[in-house]
Amino acid sequence: EVQLVESGGGLVKPGGSLRLSCAASGFILSNDWMIWVRQAPGKGLEWVARIKRKTDGGTTDYAAPVKDRFTISRDDSKNTLYLEMSSLKTEDTAVYYCTTMGSMWGQGILVTVSS
Amino acid sequence: DVVMTQSPLSLPVTLGQPASISCRSSQSLVFSDGNTYLTWFQQRPGQSPRRLIYQVSNRDSGVPDRFSGSGSGTDFTLKISRVEADDVGVYYCVQLTHWPPYTFGQGTKLEIK
Repeated sequence: EVQLVESGGGLVKPGGSLRLSCAASGFILSNDWMIWVRQAPGKGLEWVARIKRKTDGGTTDYAAPVKDRFTISRDDSKNTLYLEMSSLKTEDTAVYYCTTMGSMWGQGILVTVSS
Repeated sequence: DVVMTQSPLSLPVTLGQPASISCRSSQSLVFSDGNTYLTWFQQRPGQSPRRLIYQVSNRDSGVPDRFSGSGSGTDFTLKISRVEADDVGVYYCVQLTHWPPYTFGQGTKLEIK
């Protein structure tokens, strides 16, 4: 089955850190630009970060609210995408999806930032 | 940043009737390669987004032909010819032309009257 599966979410205190993983199966992650999108409770979709495939330079871009706090990376040998989140704020509370921004989306993982 | 504006934000529709959602961008979405990277997603309650339409009017595999996309430049439309119960959810347009950032519309919540 072709799927993306996120893990690593949970409850964290403000100022804390968390690392999300997105494991691909039935799908070669190295072939695509990969993206993290988040959705705060009851809100719309928000683009978070993107990493190009290595053949396109593997460069990264970030949304302004997360720049300098989040780091997107990929390990193509493990077919896995990551999002390292630090200095977390309550407003980072959301369901985080990994996606190709096309037909491939994970099921989402909840990150709750609260004291 | 490109601002995407959807209307309406709430769309009550009678079963079997048509529905239309507008999406406007603050600048042209025509990319340097001549393509227009405007995508429509459907998000059913409790589910991940699902792509319906890419590059304005190309329907994804498995998407019923009741769904169609049209438009150019800065004005785009998603149409459902006959709404079914399964269509309930929130619909988002997103531009993939001018990045970063990719920008989504606010979402249009479709419900059955």
